[in-house]
Amino acid sequence: QVQLVQSGAEVRKPGSSVKVSCKVSGGSFSSYAFNWVRQAPGQGLEWMGGIIPIFDTTNYAQKLQGRVTITADESTSTAYMELSNLRSEDTAVYYCAREKRSRDLLAEALEYWGQGTLVTVSS
Amino acid sequence: DIVMTQSPDSLAVSLGERATIHCKSSQSVLYSSNNKNYLAWYQQKPGQPPKLLIYWASTRESGVPDRFSGSGSGTDFTLTISSLQAEDVAVYYCQQHYRTPPLTFGGGTKVEIK
Repeated sequence: QVQLVQSGAEVRKPGSSVKVSCKVSGGSFSSYAFNWVRQAPGQGLEWMGGIIPIFDTTNYAQKLQGRVTITADESTSTAYMELSNLRSEDTAVYYCAREKRSRDLLAEALEYWGQGTLVTVSS
Repeated sequence: DIVMTQSPDSLAVSLGERATIHCKSSQSVLYSSNNKNYLAWYQQKPGQPPKLLIYWASTRESGVPDRFSGSGSGTDFTLTISSLQAEDVAVYYCQQHYRTPPLTFGGGTKVEIK
């Protein structure tokens, strides 16, 4: 049974950074793509970026380029998402999600999701 | 980027009746090499992460009740709940994972009981 367990809620001041972790258990880690998706209060889902640990490749949403960094630690099967220069509009629940199968060529649907981490940005 | 447009934004359906949600992509998400549409549907209940219901436009995820079905190809897709149950009250999202990055989601459709 694959499980993604995320770190707890965070409160940050504008201009600071936050790093959210996503520990994976019960399945292979390195060969799957892990994506980060956020959801502002009462809003829809927004893809932030993703990583494929075995290839050490990352992709980011253009609007977050320069502020978001996604990494993976294969030794602990943990993915991380760091967001810097936080603004009030970054207040959201942040989810990590694993794709359904190892990529052949194209991305896959998001089968496993973490429980979500609420990040609140407030002065 | 591929833009995903869902309709309606919300709908209210009586218990046992059919609910139909539409999703349109700004470009085709059909991969000709394997003839699969890279379109997924998710269900999200309050306070929970999204749950994968349908992938490749019409393949039901394991454990998903067969009252949920997906159809469509190219740019036009539909999620149908054949007989709405109380536990189906949720927000439903479509998502394309063909031309990435970025993965893109529709705006969501809220399903309620009439």
